[in-house]
Amino acid sequence: SQKIEQNSEALNIQEGKTATLTCNYTNYSPAYLQWYRQDPGRGPVFLLLIRENEKEKRKERLKVTFDTTLKQSLFHITASQPADSATYLCALHRNKIIFGSGTRLSIRP
Amino acid sequence: ETGVTQSPTHLIKTRGQQVTLRCSSQSGHNTVSWYQQALGQGPQFIFQYYREEENGRGNFPPRFSGLQFPNYSSELNVNALELDDSALYLCASSPDSGTPGPQYFGPGTRLLVL
Repeated sequence: SQKIEQNSEALNIQEGKTATLTCNYTNYSPAYLQWYRQDPGRGPVFLLLIRENEKEKRKERLKVTFDTTLKQSLFHITASQPADSATYLCALHRNKIIFGSGTRLSIRP
Repeated sequence: ETGVTQSPTHLIKTRGQQVTLRCSSQSGHNTVSWYQQALGQGPQFIFQYYREEENGRGNFPPRFSGLQFPNYSSELNVNALELDDSALYLCASSPDSGTPGPQYFGPGTRLLVL
């Protein structure tokens, strides 16, 4: 069955450093991969979408890579700030959409 | 432009009861999807509606059903509630069913089944 794994349940990073989150998947060939941010008690908020034929996508301090050979996506936040603290979800999409369980990111001042 | 809204925000039901959750999509968004999110987990896809027709379904039993209306509102109905149905229920709208793209989520309805 399809499986998505996001690295460690929680990640603690010092302010100003680059946070790197991973999303690995098996038994699936997504056409698209998306990253969302979710704050406690709120719905997910869309951040970035990358297609299977794209290697990298950037938006301000955010960067996503997508390696269909390794079946992995990396999500980077550069110059991290305490306001970036949240849970980050990856989602794979071909015929249906599948979400990972998320990584809780904490940025300490 | 208003965002996606959901009602109610919280709900408590007892096992065996029925519940209806409501969602109002962004104007112009023809597609609405419903998700169940258990604590500490990612959202699980329940089903999707496009122009008032069911357009895809996840691994949920038939007691989970839905409706989409022409005015961009939709409903999720759950019959014969079970304890495991306790979760955050999210709806998400998007402008087009054809090409996958960003989904715009509402704040969710937190359902507790006792």
